[in-house]
Amino acid sequence: GAVVSQHPSRVICKSGTSVKIECRSLDFQATTMFWYRQFPKKSLMLMATSNEGSKATYEQGVEKDKFLINHASLTLSTLTVTSAHPEDSSFYICSASLSGSSYEQYFGPGTRLTVT
Amino acid sequence: ELKVEQNPLFLSMQEGKNYTIYCNYSTTSDRLYWYRQDPGKSLESLFVLLSNGAVKQEGRLMASLDTKARLSTLHITAAVHDLSATYFCAVDNNAGNMLTFGGGTRLMVKP
Repeated sequence: GAVVSQHPSRVICKSGTSVKIECRSLDFQATTMFWYRQFPKKSLMLMATSNEGSKATYEQGVEKDKFLINHASLTLSTLTVTSAHPEDSSFYICSASLSGSSYEQYFGPGTRLTVT
Repeated sequence: ELKVEQNPLFLSMQEGKNYTIYCNYSTTSDRLYWYRQDPGKSLESLFVLLSNGAVKQEGRLMASLDTKARLSTLHITAAVHDLSATYFCAVDNNAGNMLTFGGGTRLMVKP
Protein backbone atom coordinates (compact mmCIF):
# COMPACT_ATOMS: atom_id res chain seq x y z
CA GLY A 1 0.00 0.00 0.00
CA ALA A 2 0.81 3.73 0.06
CA VAL A 3 2.01 4.04 -3.51
CA VAL A 4 2.64 7.42 -5.08
CA SER A 5 3.23 7.81 -8.79
CA GLN A 6 4.58 10.67 -10.83
CA HIS A 7 4.19 11.35 -14.52
CA PRO A 8 6.21 11.84 -16.56
CA SER A 9 9.37 10.30 -15.14
CA ARG A 10 11.49 12.31 -17.55
CA VAL A 11 10.70 15.32 -19.67
CA ILE A 12 12.74 17.51 -21.96
CA CYS A 13 11.27 20.80 -23.03
CA LYS A 14 12.41 23.95 -24.76
CA SER A 15 12.94 27.27 -23.03
CA GLY A 16 9.79 29.29 -22.79
CA THR A 17 7.41 26.38 -22.79
CA SER A 18 5.41 25.09 -19.83
CA VAL A 19 5.47 21.58 -18.49
CA LYS A 20 3.06 19.83 -16.15
CA ILE A 21 4.05 17.12 -13.70
CA GLU A 22 1.41 14.94 -12.10
CA CYS A 23 1.56 13.34 -8.68
CA ARG A 24 -0.99 10.68 -7.80
CA SER A 25 -1.65 8.69 -4.68
CA LEU A 26 -2.73 5.34 -6.08
CA ASP A 27 -4.21 3.52 -3.13
CA PHE A 28 -5.03 6.17 -0.57
CA GLN A 29 -6.50 9.63 -0.32
CA ALA A 30 -3.89 12.27 0.32
CA THR A 31 -4.96 15.19 2.43
CA THR A 32 -1.68 16.91 1.75
CA MET A 33 0.89 16.71 -1.00
CA PHE A 34 4.38 18.13 -0.89
CA TRP A 35 6.58 19.19 -3.78
CA TYR A 36 10.36 19.06 -3.49
CA ARG A 37 13.15 20.06 -5.81
CA GLN A 38 16.56 18.42 -5.86
CA PHE A 39 19.61 19.70 -7.70
CA PRO A 40 22.30 17.19 -8.67
CA LYS A 41 24.11 15.82 -5.65
CA LYS A 42 22.19 18.14 -3.37
CA SER A 43 19.50 17.68 -0.78
CA LEU A 44 15.76 17.99 -1.18
CA MET A 45 14.29 21.45 -0.83
CA LEU A 46 10.61 21.80 -0.04
CA MET A 47 8.94 24.02 -2.62
CA ALA A 48 5.35 23.99 -1.49
CA THR A 49 2.69 22.20 0.45
CA SER A 50 -0.73 21.71 -1.06
CA ASN A 51 -3.97 20.69 0.54
CA GLU A 52 -6.88 19.43 -1.49
CA GLY A 53 -9.20 22.20 -2.52
CA SER A 54 -7.13 25.08 -1.22
CA LYS A 55 -4.24 27.20 -2.40
CA ALA A 56 -0.75 25.84 -2.01
CA THR A 57 1.59 27.24 0.62
CA TYR A 58 4.91 28.13 -0.96
CA GLU A 59 8.26 28.20 0.80
CA GLN A 60 10.24 31.38 0.89
CA GLY A 61 12.00 32.07 -2.37
CA VAL A 62 9.74 29.89 -4.50
CA GLU A 63 7.87 31.86 -7.16
CA LYS A 64 4.23 30.90 -7.04
CA ASP A 65 3.56 32.30 -10.50
CA LYS A 66 6.32 30.19 -11.96
CA PHE A 67 5.53 26.97 -10.17
CA LEU A 68 1.78 26.55 -10.30
CA ILE A 69 0.40 23.89 -8.01
CA ASN A 70 -3.11 22.52 -8.24
CA HIS A 71 -4.44 19.93 -5.81
CA ALA A 72 -7.74 19.25 -7.46
CA SER A 73 -8.62 16.00 -5.76
CA LEU A 74 -7.53 13.82 -2.88
CA THR A 75 -5.47 11.69 -5.24
CA LEU A 76 -3.97 14.19 -7.66
CA SER A 77 -1.72 17.20 -7.44
CA THR A 78 -0.04 18.88 -10.38
CA LEU A 79 3.01 21.10 -10.62
CA THR A 80 3.25 23.26 -13.72
CA VAL A 81 6.56 24.91 -14.47
CA THR A 82 5.62 27.93 -16.55
CA SER A 83 7.90 29.55 -19.11
CA ALA A 84 10.65 27.12 -18.24
CA HIS A 85 14.30 28.12 -18.38
CA PRO A 86 17.43 25.96 -18.23
CA GLU A 87 17.91 26.87 -14.56
CA ASP A 88 14.60 25.13 -13.84
CA SER A 89 16.19 21.85 -14.86
CA SER A 90 16.08 19.67 -11.79
CA PHE A 91 14.68 16.53 -10.21
CA TYR A 92 11.21 17.17 -8.85
CA ILE A 93 9.84 14.81 -6.22
CA CYS A 94 6.35 14.82 -4.78
CA SER A 95 5.14 13.16 -1.65
CA ALA A 96 1.67 12.49 -0.38
CA SER A 97 0.42 12.33 3.16
CA LEU A 98 -2.65 10.52 4.36
CA SER A 99 -3.27 12.87 7.23
CA GLY A 100 -1.08 15.87 6.53
CA SER A 101 1.52 14.50 8.89
CA SER A 102 5.15 13.98 7.93
CA TYR A 103 4.91 10.62 9.67
CA GLU A 104 2.74 9.28 6.88
CA GLN A 105 4.53 10.91 3.99
CA TYR A 106 5.11 8.69 0.96
CA PHE A 107 7.42 9.75 -1.83
CA GLY A 108 6.87 9.50 -5.55
CA PRO A 109 9.57 8.24 -7.93
CA GLY A 110 10.50 11.73 -9.11
CA THR A 111 10.48 13.57 -12.44
CA ARG A 112 13.67 14.62 -14.18
CA LEU A 113 13.09 17.90 -15.99
CA THR A 114 15.60 19.12 -18.55
CA VAL A 115 15.04 22.51 -20.19
CA THR A 116 17.05 23.13 -23.32
CA GLU B 1 14.37 28.02 11.55
CA LEU B 2 15.16 24.35 11.74
CA LYS B 3 18.56 23.39 10.35
CA VAL B 4 19.75 19.87 9.79
CA GLU B 5 23.39 19.00 9.28
CA GLN B 6 24.84 15.68 8.27
CA ASN B 7 28.40 14.57 8.35
CA PRO B 8 30.31 13.38 6.62
CA LEU B 9 28.94 14.52 3.28
CA PHE B 10 30.98 11.93 1.47
CA LEU B 11 32.23 8.61 2.77
CA SER B 12 34.34 6.06 0.98
CA MET B 13 34.87 2.85 2.87
CA GLN B 14 36.06 -0.68 2.37
CA GLU B 15 33.74 -3.62 2.50
CA GLY B 16 33.62 -5.18 5.92
CA LYS B 17 34.31 -1.96 7.79
CA ASN B 18 32.07 -0.14 10.24
CA TYR B 19 31.19 3.53 10.17
CA THR B 20 28.71 6.05 11.56
CA ILE B 21 26.89 8.91 9.86
CA TYR B 22 25.80 11.78 12.09
CA CYS B 23 22.75 14.00 11.84
CA ASN B 24 22.51 17.10 14.02
CA TYR B 25 19.52 19.41 14.13
CA SER B 26 18.99 22.83 15.59
CA THR B 27 15.60 22.90 17.31
CA THR B 28 13.52 20.57 19.40
CA SER B 29 11.96 17.68 17.55
CA ASP B 30 10.92 14.20 18.56
CA ARG B 31 10.73 12.69 15.10
CA LEU B 32 13.51 11.91 12.73
CA TYR B 33 13.62 9.93 9.51
CA TRP B 34 16.35 8.24 7.55
CA TYR B 35 16.11 7.70 3.81
CA ARG B 36 18.20 6.06 1.16
CA GLN B 37 18.47 7.41 -2.39
CA ASP B 38 20.04 5.56 -5.29
CA PRO B 39 21.27 7.59 -8.28
CA GLY B 40 18.40 8.88 -10.38
CA LYS B 41 15.83 7.45 -7.99
CA SER B 42 13.52 8.79 -5.35
CA LEU B 43 13.70 8.23 -1.62
CA GLU B 44 13.35 4.91 0.12
CA SER B 45 12.30 5.08 3.74
CA LEU B 46 14.72 3.30 6.07
CA PHE B 47 13.84 4.27 9.61
CA VAL B 48 11.35 6.37 11.52
CA LEU B 49 12.53 7.37 14.99
CA LEU B 50 9.75 8.73 17.14
CA SER B 51 11.15 9.26 20.60
CA ASN B 52 14.25 9.92 22.63
CA GLY B 53 16.40 6.82 22.88
CA ALA B 54 14.74 5.12 19.93
CA VAL B 55 16.94 2.55 18.25
CA LYS B 56 16.03 0.64 15.12
CA GLN B 57 17.97 -1.92 13.14
CA GLU B 58 17.55 -3.41 9.72
CA GLY B 59 20.26 -5.67 8.42
CA ARG B 60 23.62 -3.89 8.57
CA LEU B 61 22.08 -0.50 9.39
CA MET B 62 21.16 0.76 12.83
CA ALA B 63 19.70 4.17 13.61
CA SER B 64 19.36 5.90 16.95
CA LEU B 65 17.93 9.15 18.23
CA ASP B 66 18.99 11.36 21.14
CA THR B 67 16.53 14.23 21.26
CA LYS B 68 18.31 15.94 24.14
CA ALA B 69 21.53 16.15 22.15
CA ARG B 70 19.51 16.75 18.95
CA LEU B 71 21.52 14.01 17.32
CA SER B 72 20.78 10.92 15.33
CA THR B 73 23.26 8.37 14.11
CA LEU B 74 23.13 5.83 11.33
CA HIS B 75 25.63 3.07 12.00
CA ILE B 76 26.84 0.78 9.27
CA THR B 77 28.17 -2.61 10.29
CA ALA B 78 30.40 -4.69 8.00
CA ALA B 79 29.60 -2.63 4.94
CA VAL B 80 28.87 -4.28 1.62
CA HIS B 81 28.89 -2.78 -1.87
CA ASP B 82 25.08 -2.83 -2.07
CA LEU B 83 24.93 -0.19 0.63
CA SER B 84 26.47 2.36 -1.73
CA ALA B 85 23.91 5.17 -2.01
CA THR B 86 23.15 8.60 -0.61
CA TYR B 87 21.61 8.67 2.84
CA PHE B 88 19.48 11.53 4.09
CA CYS B 89 18.15 12.30 7.51
CA ALA B 90 15.08 14.51 7.82
CA VAL B 91 13.60 16.15 10.87
CA ASP B 92 9.97 16.98 11.53
CA ASN B 93 8.93 20.43 12.61
CA ASN B 94 7.00 20.72 15.85
CA ALA B 95 3.69 20.75 14.03
CA GLY B 96 4.63 17.43 12.48
CA ASN B 97 3.76 18.52 8.98
CA MET B 98 7.02 19.54 7.38
CA LEU B 99 10.32 17.79 6.87
CA THR B 100 13.68 19.50 6.73
CA PHE B 101 16.36 17.40 5.11
CA GLY B 102 20.03 17.17 5.89
CA GLY B 103 22.54 17.64 3.12
CA GLY B 104 22.94 13.94 2.53
CA THR B 105 25.85 11.55 2.93
CA ARG B 106 27.11 9.93 -0.24
CA LEU B 107 28.42 6.51 0.70
CA MET B 108 30.69 4.48 -1.54
CA VAL B 109 31.61 0.99 -0.41
CA LYS B 110 34.61 -0.41 -2.24
CA PRO B 111 35.28 -4.13 -2.63
